[in-house]
Amino acid sequence: RKEVEQDPGPFNVPEGATVAFNCTYSNSASQSFFWYRQDCRKEPKLLMSVYSSGNEDGRFTAQLNRASQYISLLIRDSKLSDSATYLCVHLNYGQNFVFGPGTRLSVLP
Amino acid sequence: DGGITQSPKYLFRKEGQNVTLSCEQNLNHDAMYWYRQDPGQGLRLIYYSQIVNDFQKGDIAEGYSVSREKKESFPLTVTSAQKNPTAFYLCASSSGLREQFFGPGTRLTVL
Repeated sequence: RKEVEQDPGPFNVPEGATVAFNCTYSNSASQSFFWYRQDCRKEPKLLMSVYSSGNEDGRFTAQLNRASQYISLLIRDSKLSDSATYLCVHLNYGQNFVFGPGTRLSVLP
Repeated sequence: DGGITQSPKYLFRKEGQNVTLSCEQNLNHDAMYWYRQDPGQGLRLIYYSQIVNDFQKGDIAEGYSVSREKKESFPLTVTSAQKNPTAFYLCASSSGLREQFFGPGTRLTVL
């Protein structure tokens, strides 16, 4: 089993829709969790950090369930500019960042 | 402005040549990382360094070498031993248990 797994996607949703991505991790010792977005041919950029049970920032909500070892990202009222690949990342005790393969989102007009 | 810079943005290499990719940060971060990304794929860790004069191999270190002589700098050399080096190379840095920040990347093509 891969250390971090994500919904394979792609997700094609209309503008204004609510979309949720799931991410599971196998290392129960993981300390910190992050969601990054990566636009085509660009570097990943931090979207949200998740240090406790969850975090909310405007239209974006991340939730962490340590017992079930998954984190989720919810995007409300999708915009065209939300189209990107979303990367789930966790930091283990070795201070290594482990990246999931990413989920591609296309928001359609 | 604090951040991470990588150069060059595009690099072309002939087969059999070694090339060095630059990565500099002024964020005062202790840890620095190199990743490789192939089209449509995720990030794979090449090397990382948590402190000056020390570094560790990542998942795909073969054919690559690094040095960490200064806190701010973590250059990556792609050697002729790397058989398929065409990829997007990303450098990142972090501090403690906080998030990573990425440079803009170098796109390497072997001719």
